[in-house]
Amino acid sequence: AQSVTQLGSHVSVSEGALVLLRCNYSSSVPPYLFWYVQYPNQGLQLLLKYTTGATLVKGINGFEAEFKKSETSFHLTKPSAHMSDAAEYFCAVRSHQGGKLIFGQGTELSVKP
Amino acid sequence: SQTIHQWPATLVQPVGSPLSLECTVEGTSNPNLYWYRQAAGRGLQLLFYSVGIGQISSEVPQNLSASRPQDRQFILSSKKLLLSDSGFYLCAWSVGGTIYEQYFGPGTRLTVT
Repeated sequence: AQSVTQLGSHVSVSEGALVLLRCNYSSSVPPYLFWYVQYPNQGLQLLLKYTTGATLVKGINGFEAEFKKSETSFHLTKPSAHMSDAAEYFCAVRSHQGGKLIFGQGTELSVKP
Repeated sequence: SQTIHQWPATLVQPVGSPLSLECTVEGTSNPNLYWYRQAAGRGLQLLFYSVGIGQISSEVPQNLSASRPQDRQFILSSKKLLLSDSGFYLCAWSVGGTIYEQYFGPGTRLTVT
């Protein structure tokens, strides 16, 4: 069965520091992978996606993620955190059974001044 | 461009009362439509998804139901609300015929008292 594991339900960084949010997946077929961000009391917004091709994908707000097949990982990074990055982040993999996404449990990012 | 609407934005309902949440999508045809719930401190739970009018797949047995009376309209209902139905309800759509990224609405905060 496919699954997504996000390591760390809470991550705290200082403003200007590197942001690293970890995501590992399991999939028996080539995965399509996604990162979403959710600000308080709002819907999810797509940050970036990997389908095929280049394994380093760039998204909005300066975020990027690298697909590593050998490690079954799709970690999200940003070189320098900003206060406005404080939010919850969800990693997801496309299910090969129907038109669904399988989401991880989310990682809450806090940014300290 | 495509837009997704949900209403109401917030709702407070007593236990045992009925529920109707509405979601509409503009700017696309034959989308896949989804209903999710986020309980406090928990991740996303897929409740229902639909690949066409009248075609509803239920993911979790519960006292909720969904209907798709029109191509771009998705309704979540309940005849009698339970306390455990409280949460943040999110509607999403994806391009019909593909299984790529989903786009989320702003959500409805439901509190059952």
